[in-house]
Amino acid sequence: DIQMTQSPSSLSASMGDRVTITCRASQSISNYLNWYQQKPGQAPNLLIYAASTLQSGVPSRFSGSGSGTDFTLTITSLQPEDFATYHCQQSYNIPNTFGQGTKVEI
Amino acid sequence: QVQLLESGPGLVKPSETLSLTCTVSGDSVVRDTYYWSWIRQPPGKGLEWIGYIYFSGNTWYNPSLKSRVAISLDTSKNQFSLKLTSVTAADTAIYYCARVTTFIQVVPFDYWGQGTLVTVSS
Repeated sequence: DIQMTQSPSSLSASMGDRVTITCRASQSISNYLNWYQQKPGQAPNLLIYAASTLQSGVPSRFSGSGSGTDFTLTITSLQPEDFATYHCQQSYNIPNTFGQGTKVEI
Repeated sequence: QVQLLESGPGLVKPSETLSLTCTVSGDSVVRDTYYWSWIRQPPGKGLEWIGYIYFSGNTWYNPSLKSRVAISLDTSKNQFSLKLTSVTAADTAIYYCARVTTFIQVVPFDYWGQGTLVTVSS
């Protein structure tokens, strides 16, 4: 299985901050990397697919980059509704696997 | 607007079979542009992919669960279902159903159900 490792596991930030979350794959996955946001008590919500393509309706303050094994999710100017847990997921092969999640807290 | 809704027992006894159904509205489970998937999340932990089913009935499962899991389609009800046999406490989790869009090459999970908590306990 491809192991997905996110860092940090959690971070504290303030409104207006720029936040960067990293996801590393245990082998190359090209751009088969998706990011999800999950708020407490809710299902995950697709933010970015193919490493850098914003899902329809997602604010432009979210962006993704990377290819191969190293990927980044960036949130510019953190908003109150952005405090949540973020998960990366590889869809390069089966089984699809997720990172352990990064919790963004105040 | 696509909606997915999980249903099934919230409590299952150890060694028994967990059975859940996902009802899809606003889309058809027989469209060839989607897979239909189950994913679970133990309380306070990360996400684990369980498997997919395609409109043809083809299935793909997580090898870690393959001997115990079956996903099926009920096209007459526009539903798909999960069965997980011989459950233990380790199978306690929130179970989500989700749609996978095949016309995006990287096949992301683009719609999710709200999730249903299943507890394995005697």
